[in-house]
Amino acid sequence: AQSVTQLDSQVPVFEEAPVELRCNYSSSVSVYLFWYVQYPNQGLQLLLKYLSGSTLVESINGFEAEFNKSQTSFHLRKPSVHISDTAEYFCAVRIASKIIFGSGTRLSIRP
Amino acid sequence: NAGVTQTPKFQVLKTGQSMTLQCAQDMNHNSMYWYRQDPGMGLRLIYYSASEGTTDKGEVPNGYNVSRLNKREFSLRLESAAPSQTSVYFCASSEAPLLNTEAFFGQGTRLTVV
Repeated sequence: AQSVTQLDSQVPVFEEAPVELRCNYSSSVSVYLFWYVQYPNQGLQLLLKYLSGSTLVESINGFEAEFNKSQTSFHLRKPSVHISDTAEYFCAVRIASKIIFGSGTRLSIRP
Repeated sequence: NAGVTQTPKFQVLKTGQSMTLQCAQDMNHNSMYWYRQDPGMGLRLIYYSASEGTTDKGEVPNGYNVSRLNKREFSLRLESAAPSQTSVYFCASSEAPLLNTEAFFGQGTRLTVV
């Protein structure tokens, strides 16, 4: 069975510090990978996605994620976070029509 | 462009009552999904519909039924609500499986069962 594991439920960081949110998945078939963000009291928005090609994908607001097939990981990174990045982040995998999510990582930014 | 629309936005039910959550998308997507979001549990897939006329169980289907009414609409029914079904429910849609695209989400329905 497929699964998605987000290893950290909460990550506190100082403003302008780097951050990494970890995601590992388990699947016996090819997957497609996504990171979503949920700001307080809002729905989910796509942050970035890996479908094929370059294993490093970037978002418009400075986040990047690298697909590592051998380690079955898709960790999300940002070199310098801002207060506005405070949100919950969800990793997701797609296998055919099925899309499943991890348990989420709450990113809190300290001034 | 409305995207994915869920109704209602809020609902309070008494234990044992039934209700249907409605979802409609205007993006001509083939696949639709229902998730529930609970603190610390992330989003868990309840049911999904790969295309009109098909539905499949997800990770937590017990206590729920779904209907893919047409290509646009996918409803979720609670026949006899229980306090354990208190949650935020999200509907989502995506394009055909071969395109392997992301899911687009509605704004959610906050359901409380007392």
